[in-house]
Amino acid sequence: NAGVTQTPKFRILKIGQSMTLQCTQDMNHNYMYWYRQDPGMGLKLIYYSVGAGITDKGEVPNGYNVSRSTTEDFPLRLELAAPSQTSVYFCAGAPTENTEAFFGQGTRLTVV
Amino acid sequence: GEDVEQSLFLSVREGDSSVINCTYTDSSSTYLYWYKQEPGAGLQLLTYIFSNMDMKQDQRLTVLLNKKDKHLSLRIADTQTGDSAIYFCAETSGSARQLTFGSGTQLTVLP
Repeated sequence: NAGVTQTPKFRILKIGQSMTLQCTQDMNHNYMYWYRQDPGMGLKLIYYSVGAGITDKGEVPNGYNVSRSTTEDFPLRLELAAPSQTSVYFCAGAPTENTEAFFGQGTRLTVV
Repeated sequence: GEDVEQSLFLSVREGDSSVINCTYTDSSSTYLYWYKQEPGAGLQLLTYIFSNMDMKQDQRLTVLLNKKDKHLSLRIADTQTGDSAIYFCAETSGSARQLTFGSGTQLTVLP
């Protein structure tokens, strides 16, 4: 099992550009999450999904969109990149609520 | 809303014990977690404690939970240089019981 895989690992975007951060898991997890980590801060929840076809907003959803068409994939979309979205993004999966979350290696995004 | 707080930095000498403290707010959290993040890496689960427990020991790690004060601590015995990392406390909250993280404690182990 590869676990939770994120691509790309690094990306530089210009203001106003769009991109999709990919996240895929092969552990058959129902629950998937997107977090962002800013320097000196904990992880903030952007969006989450409790199963295919179901998504919901987290603490900091503005400027992002997600979809969950399959159990395996949970892409995060930035439509109009802004400097405030410079961060490290982590995707995580968990089999059910209240269980261990498995994290991807992160995507470091810089918006200039 | 839910909030988890930790001190930002801790330095210890190699071989000493480290104690990282955390306070949380959601009294309905069923599990509380400690994650470790090494430079440039994702988060790795170190240990967790169920809310009806006071203490859990796992080799060099001891977790203490005081539910009345909503205080969680992680003790690392015989701290090694390989333990240098950021340690995150997390509680489960919200409709999907998603993790709410503290800001992390940077542990530096000095030789």
